[in-house]
Amino acid sequence: NAGVTQTPKFQVLKTGQSMTLQCAQDMNHEYMSWYRQDPGMGLRLIHYSVGAGITDQGEVPNGYNVSRSTTEDFPLRLLSAAPSQTSVYFCASIRGVGYNEQFFGPGTRLTVL
Amino acid sequence: DQQVKQNSPSLSVQEGRISILNCDYTNSMFDYFLWYKKYPAEGPTFLISISSIKDKNEDGRFTVFLNKSAKHLSLHIVPSQPGDSAVYFCAARYMEYGNKLVFGAGTILRVKS
Repeated sequence: NAGVTQTPKFQVLKTGQSMTLQCAQDMNHEYMSWYRQDPGMGLRLIHYSVGAGITDQGEVPNGYNVSRSTTEDFPLRLLSAAPSQTSVYFCASIRGVGYNEQFFGPGTRLTVL
Repeated sequence: DQQVKQNSPSLSVQEGRISILNCDYTNSMFDYFLWYKKYPAEGPTFLISISSIKDKNEDGRFTVFLNKSAKHLSLHIVPSQPGDSAVYFCAARYMEYGNKLVFGAGTILRVKS
């Protein structure tokens, strides 16, 4: 199993550009989520999904969209990038309700100029 | 308002000695606590967890203690090894919040040889 994979590893955008961060898992996990990590703030939840076709907002959803058309994939879209979205983004998955351990991907480091 | 706080940004310990990482929380509804370890350029990995109905959980060199009355938990690493040098995140969950986790800001542990 590859676990949770994320692409790209690094990305530089200009303000106003859009892009999609990819996340995939091959563990057949129901639950997937996106976090951003900023210095001194830990990991903050952006969006999450409890299964294919179901998504919901986390703590800091503004400026981001998600969709979950398959169990495996959970892409994160930046609609119009802003410098405040400069961060490291992590995707994570959990087997399902009642399980606690989240498996994280390696992260995407995004810089918005 | 940070519900999970790690007040020590960094900790330096000599190899072979005990490392104690602390975490405080404010929400009495949290029912499960987890510690994650993160190396540079990698995603967080699950280390150890504890249910709110317990006060101690041990796994090899790692022990987590929970003091519910003080809303405090701590991670003990004995003996500390240079490979333990990483960022440690405390996280908490409560059932009504689903599988979403609330993370602390992290503590950088440096184990000197």
